[in-house]
Amino acid sequence: ETGVTQSPTHLIKTRGQQVTLRCSSQSGHNTVSWYQQALGQGPQFIFQYYREEENGRGNFPPRFSGLQFPNYSSELNVNALELDDSALYLCASSRDGIQPLHFGNGTRLTVT
Amino acid sequence: AQRVTQPEKLLSVFKGAPVELKCNYSYSGSPELFWYVQYSRQRLQLLLRHISRESIKGFTADLNKGETSFHLKKPFAQEEDSAMYYCALGTHSGTYKYIFGTGTRLKVLA
Repeated sequence: ETGVTQSPTHLIKTRGQQVTLRCSSQSGHNTVSWYQQALGQGPQFIFQYYREEENGRGNFPPRFSGLQFPNYSSELNVNALELDDSALYLCASSRDGIQPLHFGNGTRLTVT
Repeated sequence: AQRVTQPEKLLSVFKGAPVELKCNYSYSGSPELFWYVQYSRQRLQLLLRHISRESIKGFTADLNKGETSFHLKKPFAQEEDSAMYYCALGTHSGTYKYIFGTGTRLKVLA
């Protein structure tokens, strides 16, 4: 059974730039959720994708967007990066959106 | 409001001592609660879920709806238990999602 994989592991961007983070879900899982974990905080829900459609969104602005592909992998895109976007971005997958979630190792994004 | 509170950022105990990591939640519906653990340089992984009522690695957690708590307990701490522990509330508001607490770092001292 292949677990959730995320790429890249680390990324440094400049304020105002755009970034794309990638996630491959665990085999057999069709739902992908993205979480943002700021330093010293617990993960916060960004959005979820199910059957290639956004299926719920947390309190994040529209410059956070995503995609899910037919193979259930997913991308998180962030436009017009701000310094506060610096965080660990976690991808989690599940089957039909049913808990529990299985997490990847995350992508550490630094915005300078 | 939906909220998970973990009051302790850091908990240090000696090996062999009992451990209790506190978690309180606020949720108007029927709660689904989890404990996730993150060992050094590893991914966040599920430790316990309240509906399973099981013991994993010697840890147990009981849901107390009256006190809105889901504290994690272990009678005898081991050094390998040192990690970051997150309590999470599973919510159904159209989408199933987790609300996490801020986490407690457990250090087990030799």
